[in-house]
Amino acid sequence: NAGVTQTPKFQVLKTGQSMTLQCAQDMNHEYMSWYRQDPGMGLRLIHYSVGAGITDQGEVPNGYNVSRSTTEDFPLRLLSAAPSQTSVYFCASSSMAEEEQFFGPGTRLTVL
Amino acid sequence: DQQVKQNSPSLSVQEGRISILNCDYTNSMFDYFLWYKKYPAEGPTFLISISSIKDKNEDGRFTVFLNKSAKHLSLHIVPSQPGDSAVYFCAAAFFREKLTFGTGTRLTIIP
Repeated sequence: NAGVTQTPKFQVLKTGQSMTLQCAQDMNHEYMSWYRQDPGMGLRLIHYSVGAGITDQGEVPNGYNVSRSTTEDFPLRLLSAAPSQTSVYFCASSSMAEEEQFFGPGTRLTVL
Repeated sequence: DQQVKQNSPSLSVQEGRISILNCDYTNSMFDYFLWYKKYPAEGPTFLISISSIKDKNEDGRFTVFLNKSAKHLSLHIVPSQPGDSAVYFCAAAFFREKLTFGTGTRLTIIP
């Protein structure tokens, strides 16, 4: 079991560029989510999905899009990157939302 | 509005002593609480959880206490070990909805 994998590990973007952060899990978990971690702010939920074809917004969804076409994959898209999106992004999965969530290793994104 | 608060950004404890990390919440609808541990450059890992129908849950050196009337939970680590040095996040959920995390407490265990 690879668990939760995220790619890339590091990324530098220029303002206005777009990109997709990839997340995959091999545990057949229905619930997947994206968080960002910023200094002094803890982990804030961006978007989440309770199953394939179902997504919903979290606490800080603006500037991000998601889709869930399969149980395994949950990509996060930045349509037009802004410096305020400089952060560390974590993907997580679990059987249910409140159960133990398994986190990926994170993607460190810098927007110049 | 921060619904889950960890008011101590950092805590230093001597090796072998007890570490107590605190967490307060404002939403009385939360019915499930979790603690996560995070090392630098890694994702958080689950430590221990507690349902609102309980007031205590133990797992080895880790014990979580829940005081619903005070909307307060705490994580006790006994005895503290150098490998416990990490950032600890508490999180809360209700009705199987998304987790809300606190801002974290950096625990440093002094040898």
